[in-house]
Amino acid sequence: DVKVTQSSRYLVKRTGEKVFLECVQDMDHENMFWYRQDPGLGLRLIYFSYDVKMKEKGDIPEGYSVSREKKERFSLILESASTNQTSMYLCASTSRLTYEQYFGPGTRLTVT
Amino acid sequence: GEDVEQSLFLSVREGDSSVINCTYTDSSSTYLYWYKQEPGAGLQLLTYIFSNMDMKQDQRLTVLLNKKDKHLSLRIADTQTGDSAIYFCAEKGDSNYQLIWGAGTKLIIKP
Repeated sequence: DVKVTQSSRYLVKRTGEKVFLECVQDMDHENMFWYRQDPGLGLRLIYFSYDVKMKEKGDIPEGYSVSREKKERFSLILESASTNQTSMYLCASTSRLTYEQYFGPGTRLTVT
Repeated sequence: GEDVEQSLFLSVREGDSSVINCTYTDSSSTYLYWYKQEPGAGLQLLTYIFSNMDMKQDQRLTVLLNKKDKHLSLRIADTQTGDSAIYFCAEKGDSNYQLIWGAGTKLIIKP
Protein backbone atom coordinates (compact mmCIF):
# COMPACT_ATOMS: atom_id res chain seq x y z
CA ASP A 1 0.00 0.00 0.00
CA VAL A 2 1.40 3.36 -1.02
CA LYS A 3 2.31 5.68 1.78
CA VAL A 4 3.18 9.31 2.30
CA THR A 5 3.81 10.31 5.88
CA GLN A 6 4.28 13.72 7.45
CA SER A 7 6.24 14.31 10.61
CA SER A 8 3.45 15.96 12.62
CA ARG A 9 -0.34 16.19 12.40
CA TYR A 10 -0.53 19.31 14.54
CA LEU A 11 2.13 21.87 15.34
CA VAL A 12 2.04 25.12 17.30
CA LYS A 13 4.94 27.52 16.91
CA ARG A 14 5.72 31.08 17.92
CA THR A 15 6.30 33.96 15.54
CA GLY A 16 9.93 34.08 14.46
CA GLU A 17 10.68 30.42 15.14
CA LYS A 18 12.26 28.20 12.51
CA VAL A 19 9.91 25.39 11.55
CA PHE A 20 10.69 22.12 9.82
CA LEU A 21 7.99 20.00 8.22
CA GLU A 22 9.11 16.66 6.94
CA CYS A 23 7.55 14.36 4.39
CA VAL A 24 8.56 10.79 3.56
CA GLN A 25 7.25 8.56 0.77
CA ASP A 26 7.91 4.87 0.29
CA MET A 27 6.96 4.58 -3.38
CA ASP A 28 10.31 5.53 -4.94
CA HIS A 29 8.62 8.53 -6.57
CA GLU A 30 10.73 11.11 -8.32
CA ASN A 31 8.42 14.09 -7.83
CA MET A 32 7.41 15.54 -4.48
CA PHE A 33 5.31 18.58 -3.67
CA TRP A 34 4.45 20.89 -0.79
CA TYR A 35 1.09 22.64 -0.80
CA ARG A 36 -0.71 24.81 1.66
CA GLN A 37 -4.47 24.61 1.96
CA ASP A 38 -6.62 27.47 3.16
CA PRO A 39 -10.43 27.62 3.19
CA GLY A 40 -11.83 28.84 -0.13
CA LEU A 41 -8.40 28.94 -1.76
CA GLY A 42 -7.91 25.26 -2.48
CA LEU A 43 -4.39 23.94 -2.78
CA ARG A 44 -1.58 26.33 -3.52
CA LEU A 45 1.78 24.95 -4.56
CA ILE A 46 4.71 26.19 -2.48
CA TYR A 47 7.61 24.19 -3.93
CA PHE A 48 8.15 20.96 -5.77
CA SER A 49 11.11 18.73 -6.46
CA TYR A 50 11.59 16.44 -9.45
CA ASP A 51 14.78 14.80 -8.25
CA VAL A 52 17.22 14.69 -5.36
CA LYS A 53 18.69 18.13 -4.70
CA MET A 54 16.42 19.66 -7.37
CA LYS A 55 13.70 22.11 -6.50
CA GLU A 56 11.36 24.47 -8.27
CA LYS A 57 9.30 27.33 -6.91
CA GLY A 58 5.58 26.96 -7.03
CA ASP A 59 2.99 29.71 -6.86
CA ILE A 60 3.71 30.96 -3.31
CA PRO A 61 7.34 30.25 -2.34
CA GLU A 62 7.92 33.45 -0.35
CA GLY A 63 8.81 32.76 3.27
CA TYR A 64 9.56 29.09 2.60
CA SER A 65 12.48 26.97 1.54
CA VAL A 66 12.83 23.25 0.87
CA SER A 67 15.42 20.51 1.03
CA ARG A 68 15.61 17.19 -0.78
CA GLU A 69 18.77 15.31 0.17
CA LYS A 70 17.28 11.84 -0.30
CA LYS A 71 14.75 10.64 -2.83
CA GLU A 72 12.19 9.60 -0.24
CA ARG A 73 12.33 12.73 1.89
CA PHE A 74 11.22 16.29 1.17
CA SER A 75 11.39 18.94 3.88
CA LEU A 76 9.64 22.29 4.04
CA ILE A 77 11.33 24.99 6.10
CA LEU A 78 9.82 28.17 7.44
CA GLU A 79 12.89 30.26 8.24
CA SER A 80 11.02 32.68 10.49
CA ALA A 81 7.41 31.69 11.06
CA SER A 82 4.74 34.36 10.81
CA THR A 83 1.07 34.29 11.74
CA ASN A 84 0.03 34.39 8.06
CA GLN A 85 1.69 31.01 7.66
CA THR A 86 -0.92 29.40 9.89
CA SER A 87 -2.40 26.81 7.57
CA MET A 88 -2.76 23.17 6.65
CA TYR A 89 0.36 21.89 4.87
CA LEU A 90 0.05 18.92 2.55
CA CYS A 91 2.82 16.89 1.01
CA ALA A 92 2.33 14.79 -2.13
CA SER A 93 4.39 12.60 -4.41
CA THR A 94 4.03 11.20 -7.90
CA SER A 95 6.01 9.06 -10.27
CA ARG A 96 7.22 10.28 -13.65
CA LEU A 97 5.10 7.65 -15.37
CA THR A 98 1.75 8.75 -13.99
CA TYR A 99 0.55 12.08 -12.76
CA GLU A 100 -1.70 10.91 -9.97
CA GLN A 101 -0.59 12.57 -6.75
CA TYR A 102 -0.51 10.67 -3.46
CA PHE A 103 -1.00 12.80 -0.39
CA GLY A 104 0.09 12.66 3.20
CA PRO A 105 -2.40 13.31 6.02
CA GLY A 106 -1.39 16.95 6.37
CA THR A 107 0.15 19.07 9.13
CA ARG A 108 -1.99 21.75 10.68
CA LEU A 109 0.43 24.49 11.69
CA THR A 110 -0.60 27.31 14.00
CA VAL A 111 1.76 30.24 14.44
CA THR A 112 0.99 32.42 17.46
CA GLY B 1 -3.00 31.16 -17.33
CA GLU B 2 -4.59 27.84 -16.59
CA ASP B 3 -7.47 27.88 -14.17
CA VAL B 4 -9.93 25.42 -12.63
CA GLU B 5 -13.17 26.62 -11.04
CA GLN B 6 -15.66 24.94 -8.75
CA SER B 7 -18.50 26.04 -6.50
CA LEU B 8 -17.46 26.14 -2.85
CA PHE B 9 -20.50 24.35 -1.41
CA LEU B 10 -23.15 21.82 -2.40
CA SER B 11 -25.95 20.66 -0.12
CA VAL B 12 -27.98 17.51 -0.89
CA ARG B 13 -30.35 15.22 0.96
CA GLU B 14 -29.23 11.76 1.98
CA GLY B 15 -30.22 9.29 -0.72
CA ASP B 16 -30.32 11.89 -3.51
CA SER B 17 -27.71 12.22 -6.24
CA SER B 18 -24.98 14.82 -5.88
CA VAL B 19 -23.53 16.53 -8.92
CA ILE B 20 -20.33 18.49 -8.44
CA ASN B 21 -19.25 20.66 -11.34
CA CYS B 22 -15.90 21.96 -12.49
CA THR B 23 -14.77 24.12 -15.38
CA TYR B 24 -11.23 24.44 -16.68
CA THR B 25 -9.49 26.66 -19.18
CA ASP B 26 -6.62 24.56 -20.55
CA SER B 27 -7.74 22.98 -23.81
CA SER B 28 -4.62 20.79 -23.88
CA SER B 29 -5.56 18.97 -20.67
CA THR B 30 -4.85 15.26 -20.96
CA TYR B 31 -6.03 14.00 -17.60
CA LEU B 32 -8.72 15.31 -15.28
CA TYR B 33 -9.07 14.14 -11.72
CA TRP B 34 -11.47 14.09 -8.82
CA TYR B 35 -9.99 13.91 -5.34
CA LYS B 36 -11.83 13.57 -2.02
CA GLN B 37 -10.71 15.05 1.28
CA GLU B 38 -12.41 13.88 4.43
CA PRO B 39 -12.25 16.09 7.55
CA GLY B 40 -8.76 16.27 9.01
CA ALA B 41 -7.22 14.09 6.30
CA GLY B 42 -5.15 14.41 3.17
CA LEU B 43 -6.55 14.09 -0.35
CA GLN B 44 -7.37 10.76 -1.87
CA LEU B 45 -7.84 10.09 -5.59
CA LEU B 46 -11.43 9.11 -6.33
CA THR B 47 -11.29 8.77 -10.08
CA TYR B 48 -9.80 10.26 -13.19
CA ILE B 49 -10.70 10.51 -16.87
CA PHE B 50 -8.61 10.81 -19.99
CA SER B 51 -9.44 13.73 -22.20
CA ASN B 52 -10.44 11.44 -25.09
CA MET B 53 -13.29 9.98 -23.01
CA ASP B 54 -16.76 11.43 -22.47
CA MET B 55 -17.82 9.39 -19.50
CA LYS B 56 -16.45 7.06 -16.88
CA GLN B 57 -18.48 5.07 -14.38
CA ASP B 58 -17.24 3.42 -11.22
CA GLN B 59 -19.90 2.03 -8.88
CA ARG B 60 -21.79 5.06 -7.49
CA LEU B 61 -19.52 7.54 -9.26
CA THR B 62 -20.07 8.86 -12.77
CA VAL B 63 -17.70 11.35 -14.38
CA LEU B 64 -18.85 13.33 -17.40
CA LEU B 65 -16.48 15.34 -19.56
CA ASN B 66 -17.58 17.93 -22.08
CA LYS B 67 -14.40 18.99 -23.85
CA LYS B 68 -16.11 21.56 -26.03
CA ASP B 69 -17.37 23.45 -22.97
CA LYS B 70 -14.35 22.46 -20.81
CA HIS B 71 -16.74 21.15 -18.19
CA LEU B 72 -16.23 18.20 -15.89
CA SER B 73 -18.78 16.81 -13.46
CA LEU B 74 -18.83 14.18 -10.76
CA ARG B 75 -22.12 12.50 -9.97
CA ILE B 76 -22.48 10.52 -6.74
CA ALA B 77 -25.57 8.32 -6.75
CA ASP B 78 -27.46 7.58 -3.52
CA THR B 79 -25.44 10.05 -1.48
CA GLN B 80 -24.60 8.82 2.01
CA THR B 81 -23.34 10.61 5.14
CA GLY B 82 -19.93 9.09 4.49
CA ASP B 83 -19.74 11.11 1.29
CA SER B 84 -19.46 14.32 3.34
CA ALA B 85 -16.12 15.74 2.28
CA ILE B 86 -14.43 18.34 0.12
CA TYR B 87 -14.15 17.31 -3.52
CA PHE B 88 -11.34 18.73 -5.61
CA CYS B 89 -11.19 18.84 -9.36
CA ALA B 90 -7.70 18.92 -10.92
CA GLU B 91 -6.27 18.84 -14.41
CA LYS B 92 -2.92 17.99 -15.84
CA GLY B 93 -1.94 20.92 -17.97
CA ASP B 94 1.23 21.54 -19.96
CA SER B 95 3.57 20.93 -17.05
CA ASN B 96 5.01 17.45 -16.66
CA TYR B 97 4.95 17.84 -12.92
CA GLN B 98 2.11 19.96 -11.73
CA LEU B 99 -1.63 19.58 -11.50
CA ILE B 100 -3.88 22.63 -11.60
CA TRP B 101 -6.36 22.50 -8.72
CA GLY B 102 -9.82 23.86 -8.16
CA ALA B 103 -10.68 25.41 -4.79
CA GLY B 104 -12.72 22.39 -3.72
CA THR B 105 -16.47 21.86 -3.24
CA LYS B 106 -17.67 21.03 0.24
CA LEU B 107 -20.47 18.47 0.02
CA ILE B 108 -22.98 18.80 2.86
CA ILE B 109 -25.45 15.97 3.44
CA LYS B 110 -28.83 16.81 4.95
CA PRO B 111 -30.71 14.02 6.75
